[in-house]
Amino acid sequence: QKEVEQNSGPLSVPEGAIASLNCTYSDRGSQSFFWYRQYSGKSPELIMSIYSNGDKEDGRFTAQLNKASQYVSLLIRDSQPSDSATYLCAVKDGSSNTGKLIFGQGTTLQVKP
Amino acid sequence: GAGVSQSPRYKVAKRGRDVALRCDSISGHVTLYWYRQTLGQGSEVLTYSQSDAQRDKSGRPSGRFSAERPERSVSTLKIQRTEQGDSAVYLCASSFYRAWGYGYTFGSGTRLTVV
Repeated sequence: QKEVEQNSGPLSVPEGAIASLNCTYSDRGSQSFFWYRQYSGKSPELIMSIYSNGDKEDGRFTAQLNKASQYVSLLIRDSQPSDSATYLCAVKDGSSNTGKLIFGQGTTLQVKP
Repeated sequence: GAGVSQSPRYKVAKRGRDVALRCDSISGHVTLYWYRQTLGQGSEVLTYSQSDAQRDKSGRPSGRFSAERPERSVSTLKIQRTEQGDSAVYLCASSFYRAWGYGYTFGSGTRLTVV
């Protein structure tokens, strides 16, 4: 069974701090990794995608991927209260030619003013 | 519209009844997925269908869940003999492929409550 694991949290950080969200996955064949942000009652929205080992930065967000360790993380610098949401780690099923995603349970982030 | 829309937004069903949830996706998006979100189990794929209207029950749990494509950009998730454990948010997502990889567009979900 292919799995994606996240700590459900809640992760609480003060405003302006760095929030670090972690995710591990079991499918060694996976090549595509995504972080989605989901506000309560809303649909997931894509924050970052990463395909190669190393870091990928986009504004205040940095995704980190280590395929050998089967680990992907998301760092949010200068955290804002508006970043408070559930963050979903998603991994594309490596055996699927249709793009099926396997999601983690999500980590709830609370940024306190 | 430009996005994925789902209907109804909220649905209450009596246990044991069948329900059908609709997803209108984006023209040109090949594969539509149905995910179920619950507090305890996160998001899991239930089933998906591709543009040739094949039904696939490869998600879990299987059997009671099926997806149909009555039209190219429309998917209907059918849940047979609903159980209280089926209470969840059901998300539809359509995927498309570009040179940089797969992209996904999610609907805003249908919240199903089984009573």
